[in-house]
Amino acid sequence: DQQVKQNSPSLSVQEGRISILNCDYTNSMFDYFLWYKKYPAEGPTFLISISSIKDKNEDGRFTVFLNKSAKHLSLHIVPSQPGDSAVYFCAASAQDDKIIFGKGTRLHILP
Amino acid sequence: GAGVSQSPSNKVTEKGKDVELRCDPISGHTALYWYRQRLGQGLEFLIYFQGNSAPDKSGLPSDRFSAERTGESVSTLTIQRTQQEDSAVYLCASSVQGARWTEAFFGQGTRLTVV
Repeated sequence: DQQVKQNSPSLSVQEGRISILNCDYTNSMFDYFLWYKKYPAEGPTFLISISSIKDKNEDGRFTVFLNKSAKHLSLHIVPSQPGDSAVYFCAASAQDDKIIFGKGTRLHILP
Repeated sequence: GAGVSQSPSNKVTEKGKDVELRCDPISGHTALYWYRQRLGQGLEFLIYFQGNSAPDKSGLPSDRFSAERTGESVSTLTIQRTQQEDSAVYLCASSVQGARWTEAFFGQGTRLTVV
């Protein structure tokens, strides 16, 4: 039973355009959400997070939107740059501190 | 070292053998997580330590898997009688308190291949 779902295994976006990565979750107890980025042969690195008391968090080119009623969050990257090509993992946690990850979306930024 | 260190980086073992995977977290990080990533899959939660105790072992796939942490530092993940389906990259992460509130830093992982 997958509690965090990233339904797009891959996404290709032109350099300079907006990249939108989507994530859905099923557990209504989740109240904290994170995005991690992973390059090949490296461990994931933290990108941005959002608490359920907010619906938007912005950090430079990265913005995360949370829609609690739809149990959906998205990561927007604008403008997309070549270095953004990586696998992006959506993750969520509840009060138990356990972080549950999705399967990831591979983002390709096209020149 | 400055980051999370995992050893070995690669391990090939014969089916049925036991393996030990080691994680050295960032000094001072009380929370430590183990995850597994099988080919084409996401990060599968295995176990979480707060200090030396593991409040949540629910992710361990079977009783062949065990983990311990000592001195609020090094952690060892042990897989007994390895099976081919255990082949995966095993990732360790640590954070100052819980990765829920503070950034978790991941190691580069141990790639385990069971032949």
